[in-house]
Amino acid sequence: AAGVIQSPRHLIKEKRETATLKCYPIPRHDTVYWYQQGPGQDPQFLISFYEKMQSDKGSIPDRFSAQQFSDYHSELNMSSLELGDSALYFCASILALQGNEQFFGPGTRLTVL
Amino acid sequence: DQQVKQNSPSLSVQEGRISILNCDYTNSMFDYFLWYKKYPAEGPTFLISISSIKDKNEDGRFTVFLNKSAKHLSLHIVPSQPGDSAVYFCAASALGSNYKLTFGKGTLLTVNP
Repeated sequence: AAGVIQSPRHLIKEKRETATLKCYPIPRHDTVYWYQQGPGQDPQFLISFYEKMQSDKGSIPDRFSAQQFSDYHSELNMSSLELGDSALYFCASILALQGNEQFFGPGTRLTVL
Repeated sequence: DQQVKQNSPSLSVQEGRISILNCDYTNSMFDYFLWYKKYPAEGPTFLISISSIKDKNEDGRFTVFLNKSAKHLSLHIVPSQPGDSAVYFCAASALGSNYKLTFGKGTLLTVNP
């Protein structure tokens, strides 16, 4: 079965640069979530989208923005990168009517130098 | 403020024995609980879940127990297998939260042959 796809898998950027992470949810899934996992930390919720509209917002810095497109894929845009942004970024998706179990992608490892 | 707590960073068990992973939560609004398994360089994989209206859910070798009055849940794996060695995350979602997940910090389970 098709899974959640994230690209790129690895990304290295310099401080103050920008980065764009992409997430392709499982086909027919209409809801996407972004999580950030720092080293040795638990995944922290950043933001979610349902039917292309932002549905919830967590601890996402103002330097970050995200959107969900008409094909339900989502992009997380990160600007003015800081060393502390180095983390694993996971995307997860669900079909909202089917509820709670989120399916996660493999993650994008962002390293800011 | 860690709303989902996994107080054991690691657990080591012998193959064939029972593994018990524990999780405590503080938010009374949580009504759905999930366990995810994570291997290095992969995204979390959904394992098993339980609604707050139940106190037990079983799926093969995996059983989750929920004690609402104690705000405690546990995951039992029996018999444990070396392939179960991974980080296990406890996660929770609250009614009306658009299914966003709050994670614990994870427990590294090592099953020794």
